[in-house]
Amino acid sequence: KNQVEQSPQSLIILEGKNCTLQCNYTVSPFSNLRWYKQDTGRGPVSLTIMTFSENTKSNGRYTATLDADTKQSSLHITASQLSDSASYICVVHPHPGFQKLVFGTGTRLLVSP
Amino acid sequence: GAVVSQHPSWVICKSGTSVKIECRSLDFQATTMFWYRQFPKQSLMLMATSNEGSKATYEQGVEKDKFLINHASLTLSTLTVTSAHPEDSSFYICSASISLLRDSPYNEQFFGPGTRLTVL
Repeated sequence: KNQVEQSPQSLIILEGKNCTLQCNYTVSPFSNLRWYKQDTGRGPVSLTIMTFSENTKSNGRYTATLDADTKQSSLHITASQLSDSASYICVVHPHPGFQKLVFGTGTRLLVSP
Repeated sequence: GAVVSQHPSWVICKSGTSVKIECRSLDFQATTMFWYRQFPKQSLMLMATSNEGSKATYEQGVEKDKFLINHASLTLSTLTVTSAHPEDSSFYICSASISLLRDSPYNEQFFGPGTRLTVL
């Protein structure tokens, strides 16, 4: 069964600190993996998208890594800001041409002043 | 970047009434649109996949007669919740897909901002 698990479920950090969110997946075959940020009451916004052949992708203060052998990904947030408070969702696209995505349950991040 | 809009952003209705939610791709043509439902503190759950000009494909457990989907053009899909009940209260999110090459790993879904439905 295709699954995406994220950890931690929730996280509180101080403004300015770094943090790393984890994503483990069992999806196979695997086309790409995406990280989304979802603010409360809003739709998800794409942060990074990586194919199975890519190991890392950056978008400003967000850096995603991917290890296709161990089926693990991480999202590292540098110098966190209050506006980073949101849910971060790891999503795996199982197969090219078949567009049904597999969603993780998300990590709720709270950045406190 | 690709922008997807939804209207309305929130709606409150009485039990038994029908509600229509629109999803538009503003600056691109989307051959496929998806409708999701999200309950508090849960992830998105796919309800149906809609291709322009054809009938929507519903996920198991989603009533097609209750959640009517119309995808009349490459930029517009609508979801109508018929005879809404309080248990239909949820956050409904659509996404639109730009189909590059069929097997492109970069086929990406762009999400709308969501519609909060509250049924009294």
